[in-house]
Amino acid sequence: SAVISQKPSRDICQRGTSLTIQCQVDSQVTMMFWYRQQPGQSLTLIATANQGSEATYESGFVIDKFPISRPNLTFSTLTVSNMSPEDSSIYLCSVWEDRGPGELFFGEGSRLTVL
Amino acid sequence: AQSVTQLGSHVSVSEGALVLLRCNYSSSVPPYLFWYVQYPNQGLQLLLKYTSAATLVKGINGFEAEFKKSETSFHLTKPSAHMSDAAEYFCAVSEWGAQKLVFGQGTRLTINP
Repeated sequence: SAVISQKPSRDICQRGTSLTIQCQVDSQVTMMFWYRQQPGQSLTLIATANQGSEATYESGFVIDKFPISRPNLTFSTLTVSNMSPEDSSIYLCSVWEDRGPGELFFGEGSRLTVL
Repeated sequence: AQSVTQLGSHVSVSEGALVLLRCNYSSSVPPYLFWYVQYPNQGLQLLLKYTSAATLVKGINGFEAEFKKSETSFHLTKPSAHMSDAAEYFCAVSEWGAQKLVFGQGTRLTINP
């Protein structure tokens, strides 16, 4: 199974600043996903990141707010730009591992608090 | 569009009692269905998945779920609850061949001694 490491695991940020979250996978994967989990809520997909192409954003999420990089098959970053308290969430990196029908693996998440 | 509804945001059972967490889905095509568990301050871990094989799926930690197409349901059960089962449980759906999951709202399971 894929092992996913995210950094930072948690951070406290000031309003108006930006923070970049890193996601490292121990194997090469085609598709990486970024999810947001707001306090007490379920997971919402932010975007899909494929190596060598622009990320595909879900409705309600835009590149200017959540720029994503995917420089190779084992690494991705998500930046949360110009943060406000409403951005306080857990941000989760996940990868799809193609073994048989496939399975989605998750990192431990990055818990951001915006003051 | 696909969707998932988990009935009951909070379920409380006694240790040793039956655990039943309800999940209903909506999908215009045959779905893949998943149950994930999230322990406090951790990421999500896959409990089990349905991918068009056997309708009764067995997962880790003694959990199982049954796919019922006629009821569009995929309820999660465990015969005897253990204190370590206390966590948040998420049901999710995806289309065959699609790798994006749509998650339900989650059910927080509490185990009473």
